[in-house]
Amino acid sequence: KQEVTQIPAALSVPEGENLVLNCSFTDSAIYNLQWFRQDPGKGLTSLLLIQSSQREQTSGRLNASLDKSSGRSTLYIAASQPGDSATYLCAGFNDYKLSFGAGTTVTVRA
Amino acid sequence: EPEVTQTPSHQVTQMGQEVILRCVPISNHLYFYWYRQILGQKVEFLVSFYNNEISEKSEIFDDQFSVERPDGSNFTLKIRSTKLEDSAMYFCASSVPRALHFGNGTRLTVT
Repeated sequence: KQEVTQIPAALSVPEGENLVLNCSFTDSAIYNLQWFRQDPGKGLTSLLLIQSSQREQTSGRLNASLDKSSGRSTLYIAASQPGDSATYLCAGFNDYKLSFGAGTTVTVRA
Repeated sequence: EPEVTQTPSHQVTQMGQEVILRCVPISNHLYFYWYRQILGQKVEFLVSFYNNEISEKSEIFDDQFSVERPDGSNFTLKIRSTKLEDSAMYFCASSVPRALHFGNGTRLTVT
């Protein structure tokens, strides 16, 4: 059974600082890994998807890396802004489903 | 951009009542999923559905739950007799395959 862990559970940074969010998974036989953003009481917005054959994906200020051998993924957010405040979830796909971590709640202070 | 649509956005029901949560997946997607998130907790897998049958289900998805694709566009989750602990946000997702797109969720409140 896939277990996904995200550390830290919460993070508070001043505006402009770079963010590093960590995700680890127990079963390296994932097909892909997705990062999502969730605002309070809202749905899941897909940010990046990394196929198992890829090492990283980039979109604007976001960059996500994947190391299957060590069971880790990292989401980098450059030059954080108050609008980046949200919960970030990672999820690995295998066995016909996505398994989610509990998320990292980010607060960017103006 | 096409999106997954869920209705209603919020549903309140009394314990013991049946509820049906509705989803319209993205039109060319073949795989369908239901997830739930109890307030303050992880997003949990309930069930995946492909080719008109369940591919996989979690231990949460017991006999009180069922899914159906009644026509070419809708995908529904039925809870036969709701319990207080069924209160959660329910997310529908679809994929073609493996890159899931989620709807905005239905918040179910059982009183």
